[in-house]
Amino acid sequence: QLQLQESGPGLVKPSETLSLTCTVSGGSISSRFYYWGWIRQPPGKGLEWIGSIYYSGSIYYNPSLKSRVTISVDTSKNQFSLNLSSVTAADTAVYYCARDPIGGPDYWGQGTLVTVSS
Amino acid sequence: QSALTQPPSASGSPGQSVTISCTGTSSDVGGYNYVSWYQQHPGKAPKLMIYEVSKRPSGVPDRFSGSKSGNTASLTVSGLQAEDEADYYCSSYAGSSNFGVFGTGTKVTVL
Repeated sequence: QLQLQESGPGLVKPSETLSLTCTVSGGSISSRFYYWGWIRQPPGKGLEWIGSIYYSGSIYYNPSLKSRVTISVDTSKNQFSLNLSSVTAADTAVYYCARDPIGGPDYWGQGTLVTVSS
Repeated sequence: QSALTQPPSASGSPGQSVTISCTGTSSDVGGYNYVSWYQQHPGKAPKLMIYEVSKRPSGVPDRFSGSKSGNTASLTVSGLQAEDEADYYCSSYAGSSNFGVFGTGTKVTVL
């Protein structure tokens, strides 16, 4: 059974960089059928797609976040990562990693709350 | 890249049916047969209920069905049960330049 687990700091200071890693188990991140993505959900609000990466390095970003987002993949560790720079309180959210076939994610991590506060 | 439009709320009594719409454009919902639907209970990760417009993953009851007409996709929940009370989101492929977009979300209440 495929499982995804987010890890990283739960508290980030304004203007700093939010960094999260997703570890994939029960399957290979090098599968040629899937992208791997990050999605976030501010408290009490809806889902927002951040970006998705293919194991070969092909990446798509949400245009509204593109200037601040970097997603990378480490196939040797079966992990992919998210960096979001210059964060503000508006970036406070539950961040999910997911397997992301075309049309929308099918397997999701449990999510991790990241709070931006000094 | 604008979010897909869903009604904020929908409701029905146990045993009844409820249909949720998801309206996009010809660049997303209308342009591809890659629409998914998710159920999210409070404090939980979203769960895939429908993919590729009308396909159900293994384990999802056949009370859940999806369809699409033009730029609008729909999710119908038949035979409403108490456990169906949740937030529902649609998503769609949005082309090679945008990849993915979610809907605004609909809260379904079982009366």
